[in-house]
Amino acid sequence: GAVVSQHPSRVICKSGTSVKIECRSLDFQATTMFWYRQFPKKSLMLMATSNEGSKATYEQGVEKDKFLINHASLTLSTLTVTSAHPEDSSFYICSAETSGLGNEQFFGPGTRLTVL
Amino acid sequence: TQLLEQSPQFLSIQEGENLTVYCNSSSVFSSLQWYRQEPGEGPVLLVTVVTGGEVKKLKRLTFQFGDARKDSSLHITAAQPGDTGLYLCAGALITQGGSEKLVFGKGTKLTVNP
Repeated sequence: GAVVSQHPSRVICKSGTSVKIECRSLDFQATTMFWYRQFPKKSLMLMATSNEGSKATYEQGVEKDKFLINHASLTLSTLTVTSAHPEDSSFYICSAETSGLGNEQFFGPGTRLTVL
Repeated sequence: TQLLEQSPQFLSIQEGENLTVYCNSSSVFSSLQWYRQEPGEGPVLLVTVVTGGEVKKLKRLTFQFGDARKDSSLHITAAQPGDTGLYLCAGALITQGGSEKLVFGKGTKLTVNP
């Protein structure tokens, strides 16, 4: 149980385009999902907390207009990188929390974004 | 400033040796989780510790949560090449809004040589 999927696993796009990444909890409902960014040989940095049916909460320094998050259902959250630039190239990972506080986060396999 | 300090950052040992990875913070966590991450994949949860002083064992891996819930350690006994990977600790903090978020250490890249 507690499987989280991400799509696509890898995407290459041109500078200036927008890219959408999907995060799905496959066998449980997640009222809260999280989006992380990981640079090579670095740890995960939380970008935003995505709550179903409400606006996402962004961490300090993360541009909400650039990284659009939509959590439309209890099993799906999407991250859209708008007007992508080469510096947005990174490994984006989502996680889903089972329910309530004190519950574990289960991570997706990640999406490798390369902006040319 | 790194909220959760993890050490060592790199560790290369021979098969059969023991090792310990440490995570330290000045913050109190509601829980602490240990993950293992392979290149190009998401982290996989190994264990969650919740109670101060708690010790959990997973085969050759022993996890300990400090009494004050500010630090944790991962001890591997008789390491094997299959233990090679990136180990991450993550502390859970309650935000002002009442939700919970994880802060990650920088990770320990472990290499176990045959």
